[in-house]
Amino acid sequence: AQSVTQLGSHVSVSEGALVLLRCNYSSSVPPYLFWYVQYPNQGLQLLLKYTSAATLVKGINGFEAEFKKSETSFHLTKPSAHMSDAAEYFCAVSGGGSSNTGKLIFGQGTTLQVKP
Amino acid sequence: GAGVSQSPSNKVTEKGKDVELRCDPISGHTALYWYRQSLGQGLEFLIYFQGNSAPDKSGLPSDRFSAERTGGSVSTLTIQRTQQEDSAVYLCASSEQGSGVRNEQFFGPGTRLTVL
Repeated sequence: AQSVTQLGSHVSVSEGALVLLRCNYSSSVPPYLFWYVQYPNQGLQLLLKYTSAATLVKGINGFEAEFKKSETSFHLTKPSAHMSDAAEYFCAVSGGGSSNTGKLIFGQGTTLQVKP
Repeated sequence: GAGVSQSPSNKVTEKGKDVELRCDPISGHTALYWYRQSLGQGLEFLIYFQGNSAPDKSGLPSDRFSAERTGGSVSTLTIQRTQQEDSAVYLCASSEQGSGVRNEQFFGPGTRLTVL
């Protein structure tokens, strides 16, 4: 079975500070990993994905994440937070391989607050 | 181009009534997913369609929930005899294919269901 744990339901940073949102996964097969962002009253938007190519993945809006198999982690970072980054962030896993349905298993989400 | 659309955006119903939620995926996307987002349970997978078939219905919470997809396009999620615990945001997503590296899921804005 696959699962995702996001450490910290709420993270608060100052504008310009480093953003670090933590995600650990459990998967019996090589995983595909995703970070999605959800702005208020909107659907989910893909930030970035890991699909077994480069372990350091760059996404939109200056975000990046590093896949660390030894730590079963896929933490999301951004060097300098902007006010517009305030949103809810979800880490998700799906199983790799052609037999997988691609369904996403989500973490509980982390709300990012950016203070001026 | 057009993204995933869902209707209605909001639905208020009385306990015991049936509701239908509609999803129009991105044209050409063969895979379609339904998820539910609620305060208590977070984001949960409900059902996966590949074409008109549903090879994975494992997330449907009870037999009151059903879904169909016609013409490899539009999908309808039906909830019979709604209960207050069905109140949630129902999200639809589509992707080019269900598995593999192209499995980027594009999400619709969701239908907010409130059961009184």
